[in-house]
Amino acid sequence: AQRVTQPEKLLSVFKGAPVELKCNYSYSGSPELFWYVQYSRQRLQLLLRHISRESIKGFTADLNKGETSFHLKKPFAQEEDSAMYYCALSGGPRGRDDKIIFGKGTRLHILP
Amino acid sequence: DGGITQSPKYLFRKEGQNVTLSCEQNLNHDAMYWYRQDPGQGLRLIYYSQIVNDFQKGDIAEGYSVSREKKESFPLTVTSAQKNPTAFYLCASSIQDRAEAFFGQGTRLTVV
Repeated sequence: AQRVTQPEKLLSVFKGAPVELKCNYSYSGSPELFWYVQYSRQRLQLLLRHISRESIKGFTADLNKGETSFHLKKPFAQEEDSAMYYCALSGGPRGRDDKIIFGKGTRLHILP
Repeated sequence: DGGITQSPKYLFRKEGQNVTLSCEQNLNHDAMYWYRQDPGQGLRLIYYSQIVNDFQKGDIAEGYSVSREKKESFPLTVTSAQKNPTAFYLCASSIQDRAEAFFGQGTRLTVV
């Protein structure tokens, strides 16, 4: 069964410190992995996806198939990074059965 | 102005009544999704549809129904069989399977 696990409900980090939000997944095939972010009073939006290998707002995430992880990292936290972060997986057979599954989310709180 | 629109923003329902939440997109996306967002539970998939006139149950479909008669519309009906309907509901769409999902602003349903 497809499953996304985010072990931390809340992560508090001081401004300027490194950030790592953990995400582990369970999937038998080759999934697409995403990180979505929800800032206060804004829509949920895509932050980055593993296939693009981009750095967005200083964040990066590497897919580790051996450990089935897709942790989100940023070397120096900024106050505007405070938000709710969701790891997501898209998988299933191509076509009608494909779906997007989300983890429970981690609230990142950047301390001044 | 392209995007995905959910209406209404707030909805109140008496126990025992069915209620329909609207979701419309003008992005020409094939895939559409309904999620329920509860504190500490993340986003849980209710129903999804990859093509017109076809839809699949998600993880928590009981007590909900959907239709997909038009590509741009994916309404969700919360029936009286749903035991705990008070929640925040999010609709999303994507251009194809395994692509980025775009979210609406959500509908907060309260059963009174």
